[in-house]
Amino acid sequence: DAGITQSPRHKVTETGTPVTLRCHQTENHRYMYWYRQDPGHGLRLIHYSYGVKDTDKGEVSDGYSVSRSKTEDFLLTLESATSSQTSVYFCAISGPTGGHTEAFFGQGTRLTVV
Amino acid sequence: GESVGLHLPTLSVQEGDNSIINCAYSNSASDYFIWYKQESGKGPQFIIDIRSNMDKRQGQRVTVLLNKTVKHLSLQIAATQPGDSAVYFCAESLRSNDYKLSFGAGTTVTVRA
Repeated sequence: DAGITQSPRHKVTETGTPVTLRCHQTENHRYMYWYRQDPGHGLRLIHYSYGVKDTDKGEVSDGYSVSRSKTEDFLLTLESATSSQTSVYFCAISGPTGGHTEAFFGQGTRLTVV
Repeated sequence: GESVGLHLPTLSVQEGDNSIINCAYSNSASDYFIWYKQESGKGPQFIIDIRSNMDKRQGQRVTVLLNKTVKHLSLQIAATQPGDSAVYFCAESLRSNDYKLSFGAGTTVTVRA
């Protein structure tokens, strides 16, 4: 899995609670991404980062925030979880160059909001 | 909305036959394409990629074809094996859009023994 660890792997949380998912990489790649995967939608980009403290929104960023204080860690936070955020979340990394390169994915975090 | 999609959500293939998985994209400016394989309970795994200045690229048992005229991408798997059963996604990227990948909904391939 290209040195990517997601934690936790599974989580059940209640509506309205904050949740933080962690992505840790050992590849020293510059670019990191958070995707969510839902049936019929493939993978949709939530947020991404091009370096420490350099983040931007993807296509489905509402209700999510991210932080990247170190190259190796990219955190995804659901400030107040809703049932529509029940999904499988994948972290991906790519780089280190600025050109096109494939993204490597973690094993995913299955989040259930009840 | 999504700019990349697959023609068929499911594909059933006899073991040993060749598989062809299709993908249509709508953005003519896309300049990089990737195929991923996702097995149950795992993250997507890179299979092969192709840049827009190419129309064919071969890997081990896999070939990707790109037809920019009709905005079509395909993945051919030779001599399909039971281990090829998975969901296959195509993804596209735009250099002008900071290289972010956009994914289609996926095709589920089932290999019959």
